[in-house]
Parts: sequence; structure tokens; C-alpha cells
Amino acid sequence: DIQMTQSPSSLSASVGDKVTITCRASETIASYVNWYQHKAGKAPKLLIYAASSLQSGVPSRFSGSGSGTDFSLTISNLQPDDFATYYCQQSFSALWTFGQGTKVEIK
Amino acid sequence: QVQLMQSGAEVRKPGSSVKVSCKASGGSFSSYAISWVRQAPGQGLEWMGGIIPMFGTTKYAQKFQGRVTLTADASTGTAYMELRSLRSDDTAVYYCARGPTVNHYYYYLDAWGKGTTVTVSS
Repeated sequence: DIQMTQSPSSLSASVGDKVTITCRASETIASYVNWYQHKAGKAPKLLIYAASSLQSGVPSRFSGSGSGTDFSLTISNLQPDDFATYYCQQSFSALWTFGQGTKVEIK
Repeated sequence: QVQLMQSGAEVRKPGSSVKVSCKASGGSFSSYAISWVRQAPGQGLEWMGGIIPMFGTTKYAQKFQGRVTLTADASTGTAYMELRSLRSDDTAVYYCARGPTVNHYYYYLDAWGKGTTVTVSS
């Protein structure tokens, strides 16, 4: 299985900050990475697909980049609604895997 | 806009089975791929497998191979996930999710159910 390793596992930030979450694949996966936001008690939400494409309806402060093995999700101008856990997920392999998640908390 | 409605919470004893349903409304179903993802308490998201209802083709994460069966009824727009030989560490919230597929390639998950809590306890 392709392993997806996210870092950091958690971070504290303030409203208005810019935060970056990274995800490293155990082998090259081109641009087959998606990013999801998950809040407790709610369904996960797709933010970014194919590494850098913004899902319809998602605010433009979210952006994704990377290819090969290294990927990142950036949230610029962090808003109160953005405090959540974020997951990367690879769709290169027929058998999908998620990263372990990054919890973004209020400082 | 598609909505995925999942069946209600379940409590099962170790060694038994559970079958969770996921009904689509307001959008296409059979031409998409339906994946099942679970989250155990304090853990992250874990992909279990997927099915393309139009073809009935399935794929399963190695961890669940032989213990999970995904099925779908395209006529009713309903997908099912059956997990057998339940253990206490199968206690989790189980989500169904829909995503586009072309040539049996799964792209991403853009619509999710609200989740079904399955508790395994003696």
C-alpha cells in the first residue's frame, strides 16, 4: 500500500494566519492527491482534488500544490470556520489511503 | 445536489455482522463510484473499499478483504456495506461517499453521508 505521511499532526494558529500542511507519499503518485476537511460529528468535505484543483464552493483561501511524492495544503487568512482536521488522500493506486490527519487548533 | 442518507446506529456483539445502507437522492448514483470510509474513536479516516453500481465492480482495502462485502442496487439508488466477524476495534463511524469514475478509475469523494455509528460490545 502507498503510505501517506502528514505533518505536523497538529498545529495551533490564530485567525488571519497562513498555515501549511504537508503530505509525503511513500512512492511517486504524480498529482493524484485530494484534501479533505473534517469536523467532529460532521461528514468530511472535499477541498482540493488532483493536488491543486479547488472544489466548487470552497473558498479561495484554500490552495494545494505538489506532485510526485510531496504535497501541501495552504490555508491563507485562517478563519474561525477553518479549525478542523485535514486529511490528504491518494488516488494513484487502485487501493486508496489517507494520511493520518492534521488537527488545526485555535491558539 | 446529491444527498446520501445512511441507515441508523447499530449495536452488535463480537463475532456478529452488520449491514449499513446508503441511499442516494437528488442526483446520479449508478454511474459514480461509492466508497466506504470509517473513523474509529480518536483515529483518522480509513478507506475500506468501493463499488461502481453501474457495473457492480468492487475493490477492497487489503485490511478488510474477506470480511467486508459491498453491494449496490442501482434501481433504488442504494449501496450497502456488510462487515462480518465484528471485533471491538470495528467500533467506528462508517461513512459512504460518492465520487466520479472513468474507466473504473476512482478520482475523489465529493459527496458524503452523515455517517452511521456501529458499536461492537459484548
